[in-house]
Amino acid sequence: GESVGLHLPTLSVQEGDNSIINCAYSNSASDYFIWYKQESGKGPQFIIDIRSNMDKRQGQRVTVLLNKTVKHLSLQIAATQPGDSAVYFCAENSEGNAGNMLTFGGGTRLMVKP
Amino acid sequence: ETGVTQTPRHLVMGMTNKKSLKCEQHLGHNAMYWYKQSAKKPLELMFVYSLEERVENNSVPSRFSPECPNSSHLFLHLHTLQPEDSALYLCASSQDTRVGGYTFGSGTRLTVV
Repeated sequence: GESVGLHLPTLSVQEGDNSIINCAYSNSASDYFIWYKQESGKGPQFIIDIRSNMDKRQGQRVTVLLNKTVKHLSLQIAATQPGDSAVYFCAENSEGNAGNMLTFGGGTRLMVKP
Repeated sequence: ETGVTQTPRHLVMGMTNKKSLKCEQHLGHNAMYWYKQSAKKPLELMFVYSLEERVENNSVPSRFSPECPNSSHLFLHLHTLQPEDSALYLCASSQDTRVGGYTFGSGTRLTVV
């Protein structure tokens, strides 16, 4: 299910290390952000979201950081595991967007080395 | 399964064929989407339906024809496709406008020969 053939930025990490995946967005009106994970042969799966009134949100082994000043979003994965290998997409939305249409980034491929 | 089911998972069709992709969700969502994910481009929004009415059509060629008979079902009818239409077609749904993110199906891998 991943964008096979598409030249995606790739992050290669050792199992057990922490991973940081970055995303830049351009719409200063964006007020809602999501990270998705897409494994091979599957559709994107929701990981974590954050609204613009927050700058940090934590989930299980994942943390999303939002810096509205520089329009930057990051996903931190603690103690990366082989099962974390996938393509990760950020997505953004804004209050003015009719129909709740998210805008997706190009994705980053995370490869976990055993 | 995510709650959004797409069939078939794989489809090979000739350029003169007519086929349909099906998407079904039982999450009680009111909005449904078709996305195209190809080897050369990231996720491309094709169609959006909200409460069974089309609210967005992102300049998609007429050889792709969506249908939303009710809030649980979405179809994508295909006819006279081109090889460059080969891609993963993803269906997604969301509860309502401005509420949460999307739930995606696993996609239909389409190959046009």
